[in-house]
Amino acid sequence: AQKITQTQPGMFVQEKEAVTLDCTYDTSDQSYGLFWYKQPSSGEMIFLIYQGSYDEQNATEGRYSLNFQKARKSANLVISASQLGDSAMYFCAIQMLRTYKYIFGTGTRLKVLA
Amino acid sequence: EAQVTQNPRYLITVTGKKLTVTCSQNMNHEYMSWYRQDPGLGLRQIYYSMNVEVTDKGDVPEGYKVSRKEKRNFPLILESPSPNQTSLYFCASSLFTGSGYEQYFGPGTRLTVT
Repeated sequence: AQKITQTQPGMFVQEKEAVTLDCTYDTSDQSYGLFWYKQPSSGEMIFLIYQGSYDEQNATEGRYSLNFQKARKSANLVISASQLGDSAMYFCAIQMLRTYKYIFGTGTRLKVLA
Repeated sequence: EAQVTQNPRYLITVTGKKLTVTCSQNMNHEYMSWYRQDPGLGLRQIYYSMNVEVTDKGDVPEGYKVSRKEKRNFPLILESPSPNQTSLYFCASSLFTGSGYEQYFGPGTRLTVT
């Protein structure tokens, strides 16, 4: 069965520092997409970044980058130069491209300290 | 404005009283999906639809029904709600062709079943 594991329920980071949020996945499918979403305390879900299973380069979107290690089945999110507004819950997700089904992780709550 | 709307936003109901949560998107997206979010469990996919009249089960479909008669609408039906369906529900939509298309989420519906 497919699964996403986020082992860090909560993390703290100092403002302006970089932080890595861990995500490992388990699937036997060869074609899939990996996503990260942010959920601020206001509750909305915000897309951050995407990595396809066949993409050879790590995805980057502004201050967000995805450290994709396919052999280790990991897709860690790196946030550079953390800002107070980065304090939120972060979810890793995988979409299987055979079924188009999504699996989300349990999330990591990040708190940025001033 | 491109958006996914859900109604109602908040609902308190009693066990066994049928209810429908509506979801509508104005982006001409083929893919639509319902999730429930519970503390410590992240988001879990209930049902998804790849186009009109095409739906499939997610990880937690028991106790829910969906229909996709029009491209823009994807209602979630609870025919006999029970207290264990108390949760925060999100509808989402995305383009379907290919991969790598992020989901756009609605604002959420907080459901309490007593």
